[in-house]
Amino acid sequence: SQKIEQNSEALNIQEGKTATLTCNYTNYSPAYLQWYRQDPGRGPVFLLLIRENEKEKRKERLKVTFDTTLKQSLFHITASQPADSATYLCALDSGGNTGKLIFGQGTTLQVKP
Amino acid sequence: NAGVTQTPKFQVLKTGQSMTLQCAQDMNHEYMSWYRQDPGMGLRLIHYSVGAGITDQGEVPNGYNVSRSTTEDFPLRLLSAAPSQTSVYFCASSRAGQGSNEQFFGPGTRLTVL
Repeated sequence: SQKIEQNSEALNIQEGKTATLTCNYTNYSPAYLQWYRQDPGRGPVFLLLIRENEKEKRKERLKVTFDTTLKQSLFHITASQPADSATYLCALDSGGNTGKLIFGQGTTLQVKP
Repeated sequence: NAGVTQTPKFQVLKTGQSMTLQCAQDMNHEYMSWYRQDPGMGLRLIHYSVGAGITDQGEVPNGYNVSRSTTEDFPLRLLSAAPSQTSVYFCASSRAGQGSNEQFFGPGTRLTVL
């Protein structure tokens, strides 16, 4: 069955450093991958989308890579700030052009001042 | 635009009771979905709809019903609540197209079944 894994352990880093979060998947060949941010008590908010034919995507301090051979996406936040502290979710399309997504369990990032 | 709205924000039910979680969006999105989020489990798809009058099951549909009579509304019905349905429920909407469009989420409904 399709499976998506994110590091379930919280990631703690110092302000100003680069945070790197990992999303691995198996038994699947998605056409695209999305990253969302979720703050406590709130719904997820879309950050970035990367397609299977794209190696890298950037938006301000965010960078996403997509390696379809390794079946892995990396999500980087450069010059991290305490305000970046949140849970980050990756999601893959489940195919069929229906907009259905399969989500990972999320990784919580804590940026210490 | 209000985006995606959900009501109620919190609900406590007794086992066996029924209720409807409301979801509405004002962005004229074709696609709408219901997810549940449990600790350590991520978001799991319950039901989704690609347009008015069209619904289909997701990963965990048992115990839930949906209907989509209008583009704007996508209610989720619990017919006979069970403690296993204690969770946070999120509704989401997105545009139709390549199937790759971002999903807009509501604020969630926190449901407790005793």
